[in-house]
Amino acid sequence: KAGVTQTPRYLIKTRGQQVTLSCSPISGHRSVSWYQQTPGQGLQFLFEYFSETQRNKGNFPGRFSGRQFSNSRSEMNVSTLELGDSALYLCASSLGHGSTAGELFFGEGSRLTVL
Amino acid sequence: GNSVTQMEGPVTLSEEAFLTINCTYTATGYPSLFWYVQYPGEGLQLLLKATKADDKGSNKGFEATYRKETTSFHLEKGSVQVSDSAVYFCALIKGFGNEKLTFGTGTRLTIIP
Repeated sequence: KAGVTQTPRYLIKTRGQQVTLSCSPISGHRSVSWYQQTPGQGLQFLFEYFSETQRNKGNFPGRFSGRQFSNSRSEMNVSTLELGDSALYLCASSLGHGSTAGELFFGEGSRLTVL
Repeated sequence: GNSVTQMEGPVTLSEEAFLTINCTYTATGYPSLFWYVQYPGEGLQLLLKATKADDKGSNKGFEATYRKETTSFHLEKGSVQVSDSAVYFCALIKGFGNEKLTFGTGTRLTIIP
């Protein structure tokens, strides 16, 4: 079974630009979560989508947004990029309910560099 | 709010040594606890979990016991291998109907042959 696929794997942007990252979850998974990983802050929860609805949101500014499509694929968008947005953005999918809560399957991440 | 505290790394051990990585948590009620591992250049993988007090999670020779009285979930392995070199993250989730994991800062483990 295919794993979680994130695209693009690497990208470089300049301050003020916007970026869209894509995530294809494991087939059958209805929950997609996004995390930001940086050396200074570690892993920070951005948001989670379940069946196209945002179910939970972390403490990030409104420049960070996301959505989920009917096929469970998800995108996240960061507008007006700042230098501090440079990070590895990890997507994770899961069944999203019941006894498997917290059992996430992560992609390899999209590494964003903002210059 | 919820939080997870892990021992500071990096940790360097010789092959076949005993490993302990400490993890304590702060949360009300009864969170579920996890250890995730991140190998170089990869995303995180679930290593083991425990959902209630005194549960022991185990996988690939690693073990961790959910200790409610000390709010701890220390990771142990009796004999580490070079292939165990990775970053280890302790995490918790609270409640149902969400997948918001709270992670510790991670502990980088390097095993020397």
